Amino acid sequence: GEDVEQSLFLSVREGDSSVINCTYTDSSSTYLYWYKQEPGAGLQLLTYIFSNMDMKQDQRLTVLLNKKDKHLSLRIADTQTGDSAIYFCAESKLPGSQGNLIFGKGTKLSVKP
Amino acid sequence: DAGVTQSPTHLIKTRGQQVTLRCSPKSGHDTVSWYQQALGQGPQFIFQYYEEEERQRGNFPDRFSGHQFPNYSSELNVNALLLGDSALYLCASSLVRTESSYNEQFFGPGTRLTVL
Repeated sequence: GEDVEQSLFLSVREGDSSVINCTYTDSSSTYLYWYKQEPGAGLQLLTYIFSNMDMKQDQRLTVLLNKKDKHLSLRIADTQTGDSAIYFCAESKLPGSQGNLIFGKGTKLSVKP
Repeated sequence: DAGVTQSPTHLIKTRGQQVTLRCSPKSGHDTVSWYQQALGQGPQFIFQYYEEEERQRGNFPDRFSGHQFPNYSSELNVNALLLGDSALYLCASSLVRTESSYNEQFFGPGTRLTVL
């Protein structure tokens, strides 16, 4: 079946690292994504990883994928108050633009000054 | 370069009514997907349009229908509205004819539908 699970809330202090976790059940998922949603806004793609990769780093963002455990994480280094938002993990099976995205319920990140 | 635009921003309807939501894709994109995001939930895939045809559909009843026009813009129609249809409706556009191998869909700001 298809299901994406995330913890609902995370609170960190400004300057600390944030780690948001996600688990998925569909082992045939090929592409995994992290999206950010700020209040009143649509979704913004932060980063993505192919299922044949273990790690991807992009500036302050590090994505780790444990395919055996179907576990995905997003680490935000030096978290800022502007990082406060809801973060969604998503998966898809098909490459390119063809696949529909399956989202988790989102993790609300609160960054305290 | 305009991003994905959606109209209207907000909409209030009563049960049993019908509603039409509109989406203009990002310039150069040819595929439009629609998602429903209920309060406190992640977006759920409704359907995807490409070349004016519904290519994929999620687990939504036939009350949800759509259309894509030759200019790639799209409409989402919902008939016989229920209270449970209250949600943020997101449109996402993407390009099929690409050598890129990842599924980047660009999302619009959404239409907030309230059913009373």
